[in-house]
Amino acid sequence: QSVLTQPPSVSGAPGQRVTISCTGSSSNIGAGYDVHWYQQLPGTAPKLLIYGNSNRPSGVPDRFSGSKSGTSASLAITGLQAEDEADYYCQSYDSSLSGYYVFGTGTKVTVL
Amino acid sequence: QITLKESGPTLVKPTQTLTLTCTFSGFSLSTSGVGVGWIRQPPGKALEWLALIYWDDDKRYSPSLKSRLTITKDTSKNQVVLTMTNMDPVDTATYYCAHIWSGYDVFDYWGQGTLVTVSS
Repeated sequence: QSVLTQPPSVSGAPGQRVTISCTGSSSNIGAGYDVHWYQQLPGTAPKLLIYGNSNRPSGVPDRFSGSKSGTSASLAITGLQAEDEADYYCQSYDSSLSGYYVFGTGTKVTVL
Repeated sequence: QITLKESGPTLVKPTQTLTLTCTFSGFSLSTSGVGVGWIRQPPGKALEWLALIYWDDDKRYSPSLKSRLTITKDTSKNQVVLTMTNMDPVDTATYYCAHIWSGYDVFDYWGQGTLVTVSS
């Protein structure tokens, strides 16, 4: 029942740049709510990667960057590395139905 | 250093009620702006937000699961408890609790998760 849509998978060779889109609507991203991104390595809990659309927590490499425009947001990974192979999720807030938190459908990043 | 850890049964039968406890350290749920939420992830599927409780006892629930969920806090024990009634095999998932940074509505610290299987 995710209301934030992501591509199921993206792939790239080491060193390349990949982007992951997160498409929402006028009641979440388009309403001005922040978008956050999480990285989930196999068998582990999600880890905060980007908060407030484009901010990196301490310790997150600057190879990861986020942006937001209109009803969508994007996560970019430049200089792709083998250790970046993981699932990535966007998250925001939706103001419909008394308000609730929403996650994206998730994107599997494969390093070729 | 903020840490959270989930605990509860690993196996429940259909129609039973699930009770999960999140025990945390490094912050207080009596501090303004602090919240703890629950998120689940069925095997091989996406994350799904379930519920959230704030320092002031404000509670939020997923609209699709609201009738089945109850979230409470015990500030003195640094614990948050989630109950989910009428469990079904489709509720089989890893359940995570997480600290929310209310300034950004972002889950910045997560527990390791606990796998709950619903089966007779």
